[in-house]
Amino acid sequence: KAGVTQTPRYLIKTRGQQVTLSCSPISGHRSVSWYQQTPGQGLQFLFEYFSETQRNKGNFPGRFSGRQFSNSRSEMNVSTLELGDSALYLCASRDGYLAFFGQGTRLTVV
Amino acid sequence: AQTVTQSQPEMSVQEAETVTLSCTYDTSESDYYLFWYKQPPSRQMILVIRQEAYKQQNATENRFSVNFQKAAKSFSLKISDSQLGDAAMYFCALRDDKIIFGKGTRLHILP
Repeated sequence: KAGVTQTPRYLIKTRGQQVTLSCSPISGHRSVSWYQQTPGQGLQFLFEYFSETQRNKGNFPGRFSGRQFSNSRSEMNVSTLELGDSALYLCASRDGYLAFFGQGTRLTVV
Repeated sequence: AQTVTQSQPEMSVQEAETVTLSCTYDTSESDYYLFWYKQPPSRQMILVIRQEAYKQQNATENRFSVNFQKAAKSFSLKISDSQLGDAAMYFCALRDDKIIFGKGTRLHILP
């Protein structure tokens, strides 16, 4: 089976812009979670989707949103980008309690 | 609130030697799962080993094993016969409804 695929791998955006990141889970996995990784805060949970419904949400402002499509692919959107949003964004698809991660999208906000 | 603490930001070990990475956690749940993930420079988080809290037996995966002390809320990772390819950031993680990660331990392998 193919692994978790995240696109794009790298992004550079300007402060104030918005960005959309994509995640395709492992075939058959219906749960997708998103995490933000920064040197200062480490790995922080953003949200989880299961069968197109948000099941859980971390402590992030409303500028961070997501959705899941009927094929389980998920997108994450960040509006009004701030410099502090620069991070590695990791997506994970879940099979039971096991989570498998993609290679991440490195977002740089300038 | 659930927390995961890794007290060793960095560690070094000689190739072929054994190293133990420490992790403590806190949760009020009785049913949970613990993991060690490895993140090499490629940035992909790779699952190294997992432990179900209801299982008393310590998990083992080839050269990787854990020492799970449920009462003490401790979950250490032992890497035997360390190899250069083991160099990476190692994250201890706790799962109940979401995954909580520790801050990580950067492991260096000395040739």
